[in-house]
Amino acid sequence: AQSVTQLDSQVPVFEEAPVELRCNYSSSVSVYLFWYVQYPNKGLQLLLKYLSGSTLVKGINGFEAEFNKSQTSFHLRKPSVHISDTAEYFCAVSPFSGTYKYIFGTGTRLKVLA
Amino acid sequence: EAGVAQSPRYKIIEKRQSVAFWCNPISGHATLYWYQQILGQGPKLLIQFQNNGVVDDSQLPKDRFSAERLKGVDSTLKIQPAKLEDSAVYLCASNNGGAEETQYFGPGTRLLVL
Repeated sequence: AQSVTQLDSQVPVFEEAPVELRCNYSSSVSVYLFWYVQYPNKGLQLLLKYLSGSTLVKGINGFEAEFNKSQTSFHLRKPSVHISDTAEYFCAVSPFSGTYKYIFGTGTRLKVLA
Repeated sequence: EAGVAQSPRYKIIEKRQSVAFWCNPISGHATLYWYQQILGQGPKLLIQFQNNGVVDDSQLPKDRFSAERLKGVDSTLKIQPAKLEDSAVYLCASNNGGAEETQYFGPGTRLLVL
C-alpha cells in the first residue's frame, strides 16, 4: 500500500519570498509522483510530475520539485511567490501498476501575504 | 479542447434523500475516475472505469453509492440514501488510460447533506 504525508497543513509566506511545500511518501513499489494545485471552487490542475530521469522537475507557474529516493520525498519549491499562488497544493503518488490510481496527501494551504 | 464537465456544481439535500452527479470526460478519454474530497482531506478514489467497465471500486461504499458509465463516455454517480458524512466535493477526472499517467480533473460538485 502507499501513503502520502504533507506535514504542513498551512504555510503563510510574504509575496516575493521563496517557499517550500513538503511531501513524503511511503510505498513498497516504485511510484510516479505528482503535484496538483486547487484554486478556490476549481478542480485540480497539474503543476508537475516525476516519472523517471532527472530528479529535478520543472512545472508551470515557476514551480519545481526534487525527487529524493533515499528520503522518499518530493518537495515543491518556488523562488518567489505571487499573491496569485494562494491555493491548496496536493502531492500524489501513483504506483507502477498500470491503473494509475492516485493516492493523495491531505494538502497544504499556501497563503501569500502582501 | 474542452475540459471535464460536471453538474450540478452545488447541491444541498436532507439526509436520507438521494442525489446524482453527472460527469462528461474529455473527448476520447477511455478512463474515468470519481473521487470524494472531504473538507480538510485529499481526494479519495471511489471508482475507476476503463471504457464502460469497472477497474477499481474497492473504496466505494456499495450499500449506498453506485456509479455507471453505460456507453463508455459520460458517467453518473448516485448516493441513496445520503448521510451527513457524505458532505464533500465529488471530483471527476479522466485520461487516455493505457500509458497516460496524468489525470485531468473537472471543477467538482459540492454536496451538503443536512
